[in-house]
Amino acid sequence: DTEVTQTPKHLVMGMTNKKSLKCEQHMGHRAMYWYKQKAKKPPELMFVYSYEKLSINESVPSRFSPECPNSSLLNLHLHALQPEDSALYLCASSQDLYRGNYGYTFGSGTRLTVV
Amino acid sequence: AQTVTQSQPEMSVQEAETVTLSCTYDTSESDYYLFWYKQPPSRQMILVIRQEAYKQQNATENRFSVNFQKAAKSFSLKISDSQLGDAAMYFCACHTGANSKLTFGKGITLSVRP
Repeated sequence: DTEVTQTPKHLVMGMTNKKSLKCEQHMGHRAMYWYKQKAKKPPELMFVYSYEKLSINESVPSRFSPECPNSSLLNLHLHALQPEDSALYLCASSQDLYRGNYGYTFGSGTRLTVV
Repeated sequence: AQTVTQSQPEMSVQEAETVTLSCTYDTSESDYYLFWYKQPPSRQMILVIRQEAYKQQNATENRFSVNFQKAAKSFSLKISDSQLGDAAMYFCACHTGANSKLTFGKGITLSVRP
C-alpha cells in the first residue's frame, strides 16, 4: 500500500460546527503532516507529527486541533472555523522527519468550505 | 532555513514539444534533497522526480529530467514529448534534515496546447 487516504473528500460546515478530517497511511511512515492550501498557492505547513508526537505547530489557531491516535492515523479536528479557513487540506507522510530523501506522499485532500 | 524560488507563474507548451520549468533554491545545508511535484486539477500532489544534492548525475524519470546545477543552486525540470495529461501546477521543493521541512516554491501552471 503506497497511498495516503483522506476522508472526506469534500466538507461544508457552518461556523459553529465541529467536524474532523481523517488521514490514514499503511506505509510504515513515522512522520505525518497537515498542510493547508489555497487556490494557485503552495501548501502551507500546519502541523507535523513524528512517532505519534506533535513535533511542529506552525502557530496555527486553536480552532484547529490535530490528533495522532496511532502510527497510521492522523486527524484534524475543526471547531468554530471562519470563512477564510476554506481551503484544500492535505495530509502527507514520510519515512521520518529527517530522512526526506524519498519525498513526501500526499493524499488527495479534503476540500473544506466554511459557510 | 531554505528558500525555493519559481519566478514564472505560467507557461504553455505545444503537445509533443519540450518545455523547461525553472527553479532556484538557497540553503546553507550540505545535505538536502530537491523535488518536483505535480498537482493536476484532481488536486493530489504527485512526486515527479527527486534529486539528491550529493549526486552529480541529473535524475531522469521517463519523459521527465532535471538539470541540477549545484553551484548555481538551480534545479530545472525538463518535460519531453509533452502530453495533455502533463497540464498541471508544478511545485519545486527542497528538504533538509536540519529543519525537517519540505519547502515549496510558489508553483508554475503549465498548460499544454493540442
